[in-house]
Amino acid sequence: DTEVTQTPKHLVMGMTNKKSLKCEQHMGHRAMYWYKQKAKKPPELMFVYSYEKLSINESVPSRFSPECPNSSLLNLHLHALQPEDSALYLCASSPGSTGNTIYFGEGSWLTVV
Amino acid sequence: AQSVSQHNHHVILSEAASLELGCNYSYGGTVNLFWYVQYPGQHLQLLLKYFSGDPLVKGIKGFEAEFIKSKFSFNLRKPSVQWSDTAEYFCAANSGGYQKVTFGTGTKLQVIP
Repeated sequence: DTEVTQTPKHLVMGMTNKKSLKCEQHMGHRAMYWYKQKAKKPPELMFVYSYEKLSINESVPSRFSPECPNSSLLNLHLHALQPEDSALYLCASSPGSTGNTIYFGEGSWLTVV
Repeated sequence: AQSVSQHNHHVILSEAASLELGCNYSYGGTVNLFWYVQYPGQHLQLLLKYFSGDPLVKGIKGFEAEFIKSKFSFNLRKPSVQWSDTAEYFCAANSGGYQKVTFGTGTKLQVIP
């Protein structure tokens, strides 16, 4: 079983709603990631936090706002999303050093209506 | 630009057939390579990885991959597939000094009983 836990597993939100996706890991990893995966496509990197600091932002629209409250938690705040933002959002973590294996959570299925 | 290519988009095999899925990468310098599997409706799971050393790496469930530096390839193999191997397979890579992992477009494997 994955040791990266994501909640909720499914989320339906309107375009004017504000919601958050949550991710937690207790493996002591110091790097955490948000990926977006559309159907039948590979995961696309959105954000990387390294030692609780945002280290990579792949030019993601500001309606997606990441937050890393501590080394075990990662949030993705969602506001004013568009229907095309509907996708599987994957959280992942790695020990922190470059080149380490990335471990994925089960994902949160997001539908924007 | 760094990229990962998977040329087989959809592969259909009968049970007990041998499998080889192609993966090519374009990275300069040190590269780390991964194969992930995504079973229908499930999260990404690591099959195997190559960081350095023996270019033939063995993973879970009888899979193996060979790193051939001169060909920039990291093909996935399995001598005899089972129906339960039906899944999407993603090759991925990152360079030694960078956290961003780039995924290939994936290969959908369908094993017919």
